[in-house]
Amino acid sequence: GQQLNQSPQSMFIQEGEDVSMNCTSSSIFNTWLWYKQEPGEGPVLLIALYKAGELTSNGRLTAQFGITRKDSFLNISASIPSDVGIYFCAGQPRGGSNYKLTFGKGTLLTVNP
Amino acid sequence: DAGITQSPRHKVTETGTPVTLRCHQTENHRYMYWYRQDPGHGLRLIHYSYGVKDTDKGEVSDGYSVSRSKTEDFLLTLESATSSQTSVYFCAISVREQETQYFGPGTRLLVL
Repeated sequence: GQQLNQSPQSMFIQEGEDVSMNCTSSSIFNTWLWYKQEPGEGPVLLIALYKAGELTSNGRLTAQFGITRKDSFLNISASIPSDVGIYFCAGQPRGGSNYKLTFGKGTLLTVNP
Repeated sequence: DAGITQSPRHKVTETGTPVTLRCHQTENHRYMYWYRQDPGHGLRLIHYSYGVKDTDKGEVSDGYSVSRSKTEDFLLTLESATSSQTSVYFCAISVREQETQYFGPGTRLLVL
């Protein structure tokens, strides 16, 4: 099946620092999604991307749909303690079943106050 | 927040017993999904529904069945629970097949 490689697996940063994480695939994706999951909760959608090259912001978060359609990145600026959580990328592969999302294995973000 | 609730939120059961998890939505969305989340595997699709009484298998459907008799409810049944089904189960919904999926809060299941 489709595979998404998400990196880094974990990050430990100081409050105020910027964060960058990315997802790559060997296959082309039609949609890229970024979710955040906090302990004991379900994933919450942060940003959805639908076009190659698209750059979208949500507050301090910015995500881009790679021009090759095989990658996406998420940046968090000026991190704060409540940014702590696991960040997942997800994508809808081109040519696959329409309903099926492929998920990365997540980036665990820890922010030191 | 998407109007999705899951029940129960936590359950402990014994091997061999049947278990039913419920997902309820207030959004009237057509598409509903059941996932399991395990360390090292991430989120994996169990079953999917594209309408009342219309369901399809995901990548890890063995040992699970689903039913959807109403738009708002999607039930996941473990026919005879095994320890390998200890996991966190998430329900998700979407308006259309290619639309973004929104997740419920999850059910943590422990099979002893």
